[in-house]
Amino acid sequence: DIQMTQSPSSLSASVGDTVTITCRASQSISSYLNWYQQKPGKAPKLLIYDVYSLQSGVPSRFSGSGSGTDFTLTISSLQPEDFATYYCQQTYNTPPTFGQGTKVAIK
Amino acid sequence: QVQLVQSGAEVKNPGASVKVSCKASGYTFTSYYMHWVRQAPGQGLEWMGIIHPSDGSINYAQKFRGRVTMTRDTSTSTVYMELSSLRSEDTAVYFCARGESPFHAFDIWGQGTMVTVSS
Repeated sequence: DIQMTQSPSSLSASVGDTVTITCRASQSISSYLNWYQQKPGKAPKLLIYDVYSLQSGVPSRFSGSGSGTDFTLTISSLQPEDFATYYCQQTYNTPPTFGQGTKVAIK
Repeated sequence: QVQLVQSGAEVKNPGASVKVSCKASGYTFTSYYMHWVRQAPGQGLEWMGIIHPSDGSINYAQKFRGRVTMTRDTSTSTVYMELSSLRSEDTAVYFCARGESPFHAFDIWGQGTMVTVSS
């Protein structure tokens, strides 16, 4: 199975900050990298698919980059509703696997 | 609108089975794959398997083979996930999630079903 490692595991930030979360795959996954946001008691929500593509309805302050094994999620100008846990996921092969999550908390 | 609606919370004894349903609406049921993902309390996301509603083809995660069964009913646009021989470690929220193919992101998720295994 492909292992996905996110860093940091948690971070504190203020409204208006720019936040970057990294995700590393244990082998090359081409562009099969997705990002999800999850709030407490809710299902994950797809933010970005295939590294860069913004899911419909997702604000443009979310962006993704990377290739091969190293990827990043950037949140520009953090908003109150962005405080949540973020997961990366590879769908390059089966089983699809997720990172362990990064919790973004209010400073 | 496109949505997946799951069945309600369950409490089961160790050794029992649980069957969770996921009803799809707002799209062509047979055109998308359905995944099952679980999340133990305070933990991350774990993929359990995938079913294609069109032909019923399935692929289970190695960890769950022999204990999980995924089925579908095209007449009601519903997929089911049954997990047997439950143990306390199976206590988790179980989600269904739609994907265009096994290699696509999971774009629509059900609301989750809490399964508690306790004596």
